[in-house]
Amino acid sequence: EAEVAQSPRYKITEKSQAVAFWCDPISGHATLYWYRQILGQGPELLVQFQDESVVDDSQLPKDRFSAERLKGVDSTLKIQPAELGDSAMYLCASSLAAGMNTEAFFGQGTRLTVV
Amino acid sequence: AQSVTQLDSQVPVFEEAPVELRCNYSSSVSVYLFWYVQYPNQGLQLLLKYLSGSTLVESINGFEAEFNKSQTSFHLRKPSVHISDTAEYFCAVREDYKLSFGAGTTVTVRA
Repeated sequence: EAEVAQSPRYKITEKSQAVAFWCDPISGHATLYWYRQILGQGPELLVQFQDESVVDDSQLPKDRFSAERLKGVDSTLKIQPAELGDSAMYLCASSLAAGMNTEAFFGQGTRLTVV
Repeated sequence: AQSVTQLDSQVPVFEEAPVELRCNYSSSVSVYLFWYVQYPNQGLQLLLKYLSGSTLVESINGFEAEFNKSQTSFHLRKPSVHISDTAEYFCAVREDYKLSFGAGTTVTVRA
């Protein structure tokens, strides 16, 4: 069964260090999402791609976060420098398109702990 | 812009008892509605969705949800829960291209 792949599953980093997460969406899915989920809260959209273009990054803290999807397939989310408040689960999801009736499929997530 | 409100953060329930998780949304346009389930340290899995047609939708594992346009609600119910239903449940709303989530409801099923 096709699934969204994320790595690493867990990451511990010191504050002020750089960290990167990788996501490989389901083959053929044009839309890719990065969400951040703080413990006890719902997922919050950080950035959404349609193919290689960003369609929404309004909630991405651009002073320290960056995201790219250069060939419109896999994607990398980077944080530099990491802060204690960045500790969270980072979820990647993909869907066939961004249309109203398309379901988003989620990966297992990357659990980030900043110490 | 839409917002999603899940009225209960924690719902303890005994095994084989019924459960209802409440979800309300605010939107001025048509939306599509989803319920996702998340087990510890896992990603989100789709439980069920309302896109169009019958306002009552069902999942394969006994959950159902009813879309009520006048009350802007999409409450999730199960008539008899199992221990394995212990998880966090998220209501989500898609308006235009954006998929937004509620804060989640933690369901704990006790024997």
